[in-house]
Amino acid sequence: DSGVTQTPKHLITATGQRVTLRCSPRSGDLSVYWYQQSLDQGLQFLIQYYNGEERAKGNILERFSAQQFPDLHSELNLSSLELGDSALYFCASSRGLGTPGNTIYFGEGSWLTVV
Amino acid sequence: SQQGEEDPQALSIQEGENATMNCSYKTSINNLQWYRQNSGRGLVHLILIRSNEREKHSGRLRVTLDTSKKSSSLLITASRAADTASYFCATARNSGGSNYKLTFGKGTLLTVNP
Repeated sequence: DSGVTQTPKHLITATGQRVTLRCSPRSGDLSVYWYQQSLDQGLQFLIQYYNGEERAKGNILERFSAQQFPDLHSELNLSSLELGDSALYFCASSRGLGTPGNTIYFGEGSWLTVV
Repeated sequence: SQQGEEDPQALSIQEGENATMNCSYKTSINNLQWYRQNSGRGLVHLILIRSNEREKHSGRLRVTLDTSKKSSSLLITASRAADTASYFCATARNSGGSNYKLTFGKGTLLTVNP
């Protein structure tokens, strides 16, 4: 158990809908990262937050948004869902900014299926 | 785009044999990390090797790094059926200020047959 908690574990929704994925980082971790894993694209970095502020952006679509709250939990919002958004979404956390040697701990992921 | 590329994409061996997976990358890095992922589960950090290190050991794992060739290898000795998983290399490089970006390869699927 990495200490990173993600909900829901599985989600099935229709195209055009909006979903919210939730992440609680490990106790004491200030950075939260979101990754998308699909068969064709592999593991893609989406976005990073540090202590409530956006720190780095990866291949995140405009239809997607995220935020980190004062209690450090984070939410990833996916809207106008398309079939291609079906994937495993991971949240990860680390103590600091991901500086050298800063291990990143992954949650078990949220399986999203868009039908 | 992927920074790290693992090779082979899939590897099947017998229990007790050694498994070697390779990773190549394109730009300079601060460190390189290996992760393991059991089917449909989260990634688990295995080992980190810094750019000024050439070899590192952790239990049955041995990692080498050749920065001149921009490549790394992960060796699992005396493999067990429980080692069956996907293994990913991830390169960490500075993305501005004190921020470091971790980029993952597509992974090697290792199957260890009992």
